Amino acid sequence: NAGVTQTPKFQVLKTGQSMTLQCAQDMNHEYMSWYRQDPGMGLRLIHYSVGAGITDQGEVPNGYNVSRSTTEDFPLRLLSAAPSQTSVYFCASSDFPGGPDTQYFGPGTRLTVL
Amino acid sequence: GIQVEQSPPDLILQEGANSTLRCNFSDSVNNLQWFHQNPWGQLINLFYIPSGTKQNGRLSATTVATERYSLLYISSSQTTDSGVYFCAVHYGGSQGNLIFGKGTKLSVKP
Repeated sequence: NAGVTQTPKFQVLKTGQSMTLQCAQDMNHEYMSWYRQDPGMGLRLIHYSVGAGITDQGEVPNGYNVSRSTTEDFPLRLLSAAPSQTSVYFCASSDFPGGPDTQYFGPGTRLTVL
Repeated sequence: GIQVEQSPPDLILQEGANSTLRCNFSDSVNNLQWFHQNPWGQLINLFYIPSGTKQNGRLSATTVATERYSLLYISSSQTTDSGVYFCAVHYGGSQGNLIFGKGTKLSVKP
């Protein structure tokens, strides 16, 4: 099992550009989520999905879109990048968000917006 | 919303020392998890511990849900224990999500 994979590992964007951060898991988990981590902060939830075709907003959803067409993939789209979106982005998956199953995290994508 | 507070924010130890990290939360939660983020940024789940005590090698954790706190104990610390330790609570029913504290940054010196 590859677990949770994220691409790219690093990305530099100019203000106003758009891009998609990819996330995939091969554990057949229903629950997937995206977090951002800023210096000195914990992780803050951007969007999450409880299954294919179902997504919802987290704590900081503005400026981001998601979709979940398959169980395996959960891409995060930045529509018009802003310097405030400079951060490290983590994707995570688990069988059930509130259950005893381990929450698996991807290695992260470090994004810089100039 | 729920508040998750971790203390201390920073901790420096000599190798072999013991430490206790604390997590306070402001409301009832469905569960609580402890994570370690290593210096390379990878997040590893340490404990799923909504209540009671669990041990895994040199690490153990205790959650007292009625008093809204959890403790993570690290004994005989090693340099590989360095990194940031996060407490995260699951809040808001079956469709709720993990809310993270700001973490405790641990540095273990040889």
